[in-house]
Amino acid sequence: DSGVTQTPKHLITATGQRVTLRCSPRSGDLSVYWYQQSLDQGLQFLIQYYNGEERAKGNILERFSAQQFPDLHSELNLSSLELGDSALYFCASSNQAGGYEQYFGPGTRLTVT
Amino acid sequence: DAKTTQPPSMDCAEGRAANLPCNHSTISGNEYVYWYRQIHSQGPQYIIHGLKNNETNEMASLIITEDRKSSTLILPHATLRDTAVYYCIVRVVRLTGGGNKLTFGTGTQLKVEL
Repeated sequence: DSGVTQTPKHLITATGQRVTLRCSPRSGDLSVYWYQQSLDQGLQFLIQYYNGEERAKGNILERFSAQQFPDLHSELNLSSLELGDSALYFCASSNQAGGYEQYFGPGTRLTVT
Repeated sequence: DAKTTQPPSMDCAEGRAANLPCNHSTISGNEYVYWYRQIHSQGPQYIIHGLKNNETNEMASLIITEDRKSSTLILPHATLRDTAVYYCIVRVVRLTGGGNKLTFGTGTQLKVEL
């Protein structure tokens, strides 16, 4: 158990809909990272937040957004969902803006039908 | 971050050492070598990292060549539960600011068999 929690575990929704994925970092960790893992693209970095501020952006679509709240939990919002958004979404945390290790949560499996 | 090359798959007998190689010939002096693994759609798990010296922890050992152009992750006594995809990642560690993403390649699928 990494100490990072993600909810929900599974999500099934229809095209065009909007969903919110939630992540609680390990106790004391200030940085949260979001990654997407699809069959054709592998594991890809989406975005990083540190203590409430966006710090780095990867291949995140404009339809996707994220935020980190004062209690340090983070949410990833996916809107206008397409079939290709079906993937595993992982959250990771580390104890600094950089940090040596990132600890991953169990992931949310999103299925868009 | 430097690019890495790993064999797509490897087999290992249970109880034997698993030696997973990684080439990173373009590594820069300030880049660390990290290893993560992912067990069947679970979240990736940090294993070990190093800069120049060999490192060992309760999970594995990391051997980095003197020129730092390649490394080997060693699982000393592989078990069936070590079956996973192993990712070698080379990255600069920035203690402040951002840009600390992990760039995952395709990794090595290690299969541990009886």
